[in-house]
Amino acid sequence: NAGVTQTPKFRILKIGQSMTLQCTQDMNHNYMYWYRQDPGMGLKLIYYSVGAGITDKGEVPNGYNVSRSTTEDFPLRLELAAPSQTSVYFCASSYGTASHEQYFGPGTRLTVT
Amino acid sequence: QKEVEQDPGPLSVPEGAIVSLNCTYSNSAFQYFMWYRQYSRKGPELLMYTYSSGNKEDGRFTAQVDKSSKYISLFIRDSQPSDSATYLCAIRLIDTGNQFYFGTGTSLTVIP
Repeated sequence: NAGVTQTPKFRILKIGQSMTLQCTQDMNHNYMYWYRQDPGMGLKLIYYSVGAGITDKGEVPNGYNVSRSTTEDFPLRLELAAPSQTSVYFCASSYGTASHEQYFGPGTRLTVT
Repeated sequence: QKEVEQDPGPLSVPEGAIVSLNCTYSNSAFQYFMWYRQYSRKGPELLMYTYSSGNKEDGRFTAQVDKSSKYISLFIRDSQPSDSATYLCAIRLIDTGNQFYFGTGTSLTVIP
């Protein structure tokens, strides 16, 4: 199993550009999450999904969009990049409410200039 | 008020020392308490979890929960250089869409 994979690993965007961060898991997990991690700020939940076709906002959803058309994939879309979106983005998955473990991908380092 | 607050550190200790990492949480309804470890430029990985007050041991690691004080701790005995990482506490309520709330992390360096 590859676990949770994220692409790209690094990206530099100009202000106003758009991009999609890809996330795929091969563990057949129902729950998937997107977090951003800023220095000294911990992990903040952007969006999460409890299954294909179902998504919901987390703590910091503004400026982002998600979709969940399959169990495996949970892409995160930035429509109009802003410097405030410079961060490290982590995708995670978990089996369901019975699981205390979230499996994290390696992260995407995004810089918006 | 944040759901969970964590001592920010950083901590620097000599090899073999006992390390204490601490978090407090605000809502007594939280049911599950976890510690994640994050090495530099990697994603977090689960270290331990517990759901009851008291201690839970796993090798050199002990997770402690005091629900009356809303206080959680992670103790590392005989610390090793390989323990150098950021440690994040996390709490969850099953009823809220399986959301996890993470602390800000404590950076630990164990000096050989």
